[in-house]
Amino acid sequence: EADIYQTPRYLVIGTGKKITLECSQTMGHDKMYWYQQDPGMELHLIHYSYGVNSTEKGDLSSESTVSRIRTEHFPLTLESARPSHTSQYLCASSEFNGPPHNEQFFGPGTRLTVL
Amino acid sequence: AQSVTQLDSHVSVSEGTPVLLRCNYSSSYSPSLFWYVQHPNKGLQLLLKYTSAATLVKGINGFEAEFKKSETSFHLTKPSAHMSDAAEYFCVVSDRTSGTYKYIFGTGTRLKVLA
Repeated sequence: EADIYQTPRYLVIGTGKKITLECSQTMGHDKMYWYQQDPGMELHLIHYSYGVNSTEKGDLSSESTVSRIRTEHFPLTLESARPSHTSQYLCASSEFNGPPHNEQFFGPGTRLTVL
Repeated sequence: AQSVTQLDSHVSVSEGTPVLLRCNYSSSYSPSLFWYVQHPNKGLQLLLKYTSAATLVKGINGFEAEFKKSETSFHLTKPSAHMSDAAEYFCVVSDRTSGTYKYIFGTGTRLKVLA
């Protein structure tokens, strides 16, 4: 079944740890995105990718980095986590050469808490 | 730049009564507009989208929205609320910047359905 997956779903870690949030999709989409969502707030785009070896920064400044070595995989890494990184992180994907009304498909999210 | 305003952060309705979630947008050209729903601890799911084909758009689970250009609105409605409709709803506009389409999210409306 075509879907988009995120692991872990919940993560509690201490300050200074390196973490990687995983995102994989089986829909064959070229474009992938990472959003940050705080309670009661809109989603903010932090990274996106057009395809393999393509990564771009989004509208919200983020200390995280991403990579796109395989079409289906778009991991997000924090080299040294801080309490300010506590948030929900959502991964999404969409077709590349689609019209503006192409929908994005979202994963279930990773809720990160940094102590 | 395009923007989205969701006029109510919280809406409470009784089960079986109509739902109205309000959304206004600003756009310099004909926009693509979406409504997404997010249930607790889940990712976002597309309810419906406006693609300029018809001003009244029908979506899943009995929801619909009407695009009104003169009022720059895209309000979401449902004739009769169900307990399972309790969730966060996001209005989204697709914005073309720097040659690529990105989503601009509203701040969300939390719908509460009372028994």
